[in-house]
Amino acid sequence: GAVVSQHPSRVICKSGTSVKIECRSLDFQATTMFWYRQFPKQSLMLMATSNEGSKATYEQGVEKDKFLINHASLTLSTLTVTSAHPEDSSFYICSARGARGQPQHFGDGTRLSIL
Amino acid sequence: GQQLNQSPQSMFIQEGEDVSMNCTSSSIFNTWLWYKQDPGEGPVLLIALYKAGELTSNGRLTAQFGITRKDSFLNISASIPSDVGIYFCAGLAGGTSYGKLTFGQGTILTVHP
Repeated sequence: GAVVSQHPSRVICKSGTSVKIECRSLDFQATTMFWYRQFPKQSLMLMATSNEGSKATYEQGVEKDKFLINHASLTLSTLTVTSAHPEDSSFYICSARGARGQPQHFGDGTRLSIL
Repeated sequence: GQQLNQSPQSMFIQEGEDVSMNCTSSSIFNTWLWYKQDPGEGPVLLIALYKAGELTSNGRLTAQFGITRKDSFLNISASIPSDVGIYFCAGLAGGTSYGKLTFGQGTILTVHP
């Protein structure tokens, strides 16, 4: 159980393009979803926390107009990287949890490469 | 932001050896989690610990929630090549944190056949 699906797994696009990444909880209702960014050989860096039906809470230093998060249902959250530039290239990972106190389960990540 | 102190940063061991890694924190956590991440994939939950002093096993893996609630360790017995990867500890605080995890820096494990 506790499967989280993230799509796409890899994106390569030109600078200036907007990219949408989807995160779905397949077998449970995710009251809270999280978006992380990870650089090579480093730990996960939390970007934002998203509760279903509410505005996302962004971590300090993360531009909310740059990284748009939508969590319209209990099984789907999306992250849109707007007007992406090469410095936005990274590994983006989502996670989801059900009830409060339950562990987060992670998607397989999206490798974003901006040319 | 805050990070847990995870050690060692990397380990190079021979197949069959036992492995131990740990995490410490200056603050208390209500839950300790251990994840493994393979290259190009998301972290996979290995063990979740919910009570101080709790000792939990998952196959060859054993993890403990420190009695002070400020530390945890993970042991892997009789390592095999597929144990290779990055292991992260993560702590979950209580209160209004909305389930935000605090992560360790990771332990990179290499197993030589």
